[in-house]
Amino acid sequence: GEDVEQSLFLSVREGDSSVINCTYTDSSSTYLYWYKQEPGAGLQLLTYIFSNMDMKQDQRLTVLLNKKDKHLSLRIADTQTGDSAIYFCAAYNFNKFYFGSGTKLNVKP
Amino acid sequence: GAVVSQHPSRVICKSGTSVKIECRSLDFQATTMFWYRQFPKQSLMLMATSNEGSKATYEQGVEKDKFLINHASLTLSTLTVTSAHPEDSSFYICSARDPTSGRGRELFFGEGSRLTVL
Repeated sequence: GEDVEQSLFLSVREGDSSVINCTYTDSSSTYLYWYKQEPGAGLQLLTYIFSNMDMKQDQRLTVLLNKKDKHLSLRIADTQTGDSAIYFCAAYNFNKFYFGSGTKLNVKP
Repeated sequence: GAVVSQHPSRVICKSGTSVKIECRSLDFQATTMFWYRQFPKQSLMLMATSNEGSKATYEQGVEKDKFLINHASLTLSTLTVTSAHPEDSSFYICSARDPTSGRGRELFFGEGSRLTVL
């Protein structure tokens, strides 16, 4: 199966950029995702990228994919306190979604 | 995005009782639904995959007789925790997708259900 890993915590100051990193092990994963979870809530799909793409930008969010290194990152520009949440990376492979353990982003005012 | 609704959002029950959690896709047909359990240190554990009209596929280590999953219609899946014990207390999240649609690669999550077993 797929093994998805992310660091557990990230702390940034309001207005700075945040970069959350993720690695996965199975190169046959076709789609990679970023989800956001606020306290006590389910997961909200932020964005996803097809494995043959290198980059995807959506407003303040930029996803970079290095397929050779099996590395995915999510950059949040101009981070706001409302961006404080847990961010999950996920890989889609053979009809299953594999999730990382989540990165808790703390945005300091 | 598509809407997946879970109910109840919070439930407290006594040890030994059974609890049912519902997961509904409100604006699309979910031929596949997934049930996850989230542990205190954030990680999501896939418990089972349910396909409409057939038996659920459980992940290794998940007791199928304890966690009963029914996906009787294209918009509803239920998870029943039978004879619940305090160690079953957790945050349970469902998710749904429709592989037959153009958005089949997107997985949509419910709001989660916090189960506390006393």
